[in-house]
Amino acid sequence: EVQLVESGGGLVQPGGSLKLSCAASGFTFSGSAMHWVRQASGKGLEWVGRIRSKANNYATVYTASVKGRFTISRDDSKNTAYLQMNSLKSEDTAMYYCTRSSSAFDVWGQGTKVTVSS
Amino acid sequence: QPVLTQPPSASASLGASVTLTCTLSSGYSNYKVDWYQQRPGKGPRFVMRVGNGGIVGSKGDGIPDRFSVLGSGLNRYLTIKNIHEEDESLYHCGADHGGGSDFAWVFGGGTKLTVL
Repeated sequence: EVQLVESGGGLVQPGGSLKLSCAASGFTFSGSAMHWVRQASGKGLEWVGRIRSKANNYATVYTASVKGRFTISRDDSKNTAYLQMNSLKSEDTAMYYCTRSSSAFDVWGQGTKVTVSS
Repeated sequence: QPVLTQPPSASASLGASVTLTCTLSSGYSNYKVDWYQQRPGKGPRFVMRVGNGGIVGSKGDGIPDRFSVLGSGLNRYLTIKNIHEEDESLYHCGADHGGGSDFAWVFGGGTKLTVL
């Protein structure tokens, strides 16, 4: 079964850090570009960033609001993608999803919730 | 990069049809748009991709024939026929833009479909 499972969310104070994980199974993870997408409560989806495969030099790109604060990485030996979030702000509070892109975002996880609050 | 605009809400009765609209900002009429369905408490699910000529590629896994798309000018439409209770969801449209270090993905604000 093709599956993505996010973990690592929780409550963190403003200015703090958190690292999310996305464990993949059922497909060739190493050949896939992986994205992170977030959704504030009651709001629409917001694309966070992407990491490409080794064949594409693990190239990363981010939305402007997280550039310099968030870092996406991957460990193909563990079939896992990561989202390191630093200098967190209240506006980063959201459900965070990882998703695979082939021609579209065809596989999604169930999400992990991040709350930034004092 | 394009801006995608969706009405915040729509409603339709059981068994009826509804068309959801995603409007691209001016200058982006050649862009393809993906539709995603998000049921309450769940992650999004790919429905299908639409360009000006209609569906691009295949529907997402398990998407019934009741779902169809059309494209016209700056508008990308998702039509659901014979609406079921399970169709009550948040529907998102999204599109990619640029390449390399300029790559970005943009989503509309989503349309909440209520089944009456």
